[in-house]
Amino acid sequence: AQSVTQPDIHITVSEGASLELRCNYSYGATPYLFWYVQSPGQGLQLLLKYFSGDTLVQGIKGFEAEFKRSQSSFNLRKPSVHWSDAAEYFCAVGGRFGNEKLTFGTGTRLTIIP
Amino acid sequence: DSGVTQTPKHLITATGQRVTLRCSPRSGDLSVYWYQQSLDQGLQFLIQYYNGEERAKGNILERFSAQQFPDLHSELNLSSLELGDSALYFCASSDSGEYTDTQYFGPGTRLTVL
Repeated sequence: AQSVTQPDIHITVSEGASLELRCNYSYGATPYLFWYVQSPGQGLQLLLKYFSGDTLVQGIKGFEAEFKRSQSSFNLRKPSVHWSDAAEYFCAVGGRFGNEKLTFGTGTRLTIIP
Repeated sequence: DSGVTQTPKHLITATGQRVTLRCSPRSGDLSVYWYQQSLDQGLQFLIQYYNGEERAKGNILERFSAQQFPDLHSELNLSSLELGDSALYFCASSDSGEYTDTQYFGPGTRLTVL
């Protein structure tokens, strides 16, 4: 069965600093990989997704993520965070076969300090 | 605003009761997904409908059921409610039946079971 781990429950960074949120997955093949963001009181919004090809994926709001097969990772990065990036971030893995669907990580809460 | 609407925003009820959550997908979207977000279980996929037909099932309890109507809105019915059913229930929609397509999430319905 597929699974995804987000080892950091809460991260605090200063506005303007760089950001990296970690995501590790477990799956028998190369999965589909997603990053979602959830702002307070809002639903989830897709930031980016990886299916195949170039392992560096560009998303919305200046985010990018890199798929590393050898490390089973799909870390999310942003070179300079803004106060509006404060939110909860979810990594998700999707299976490629049959009835496999999305499995979400437990999320990382991002706090931005001035 | 994702274009997905969910009603009601909040629902407070008692154990043993039955409630219905409603979702209207984005205009033109044929798929509706239901998710449950709780402190215990995190974010879990419950069920997907595509153009009126059930497409995929996730971790949905037998006490829960859903349907999608000809106008493509969907309802999630929760019965014999237990304290542990208290959660945020999200609906998402996409234009095709493939879960890998971008899913647009509604703001959620917060259910509190007392």
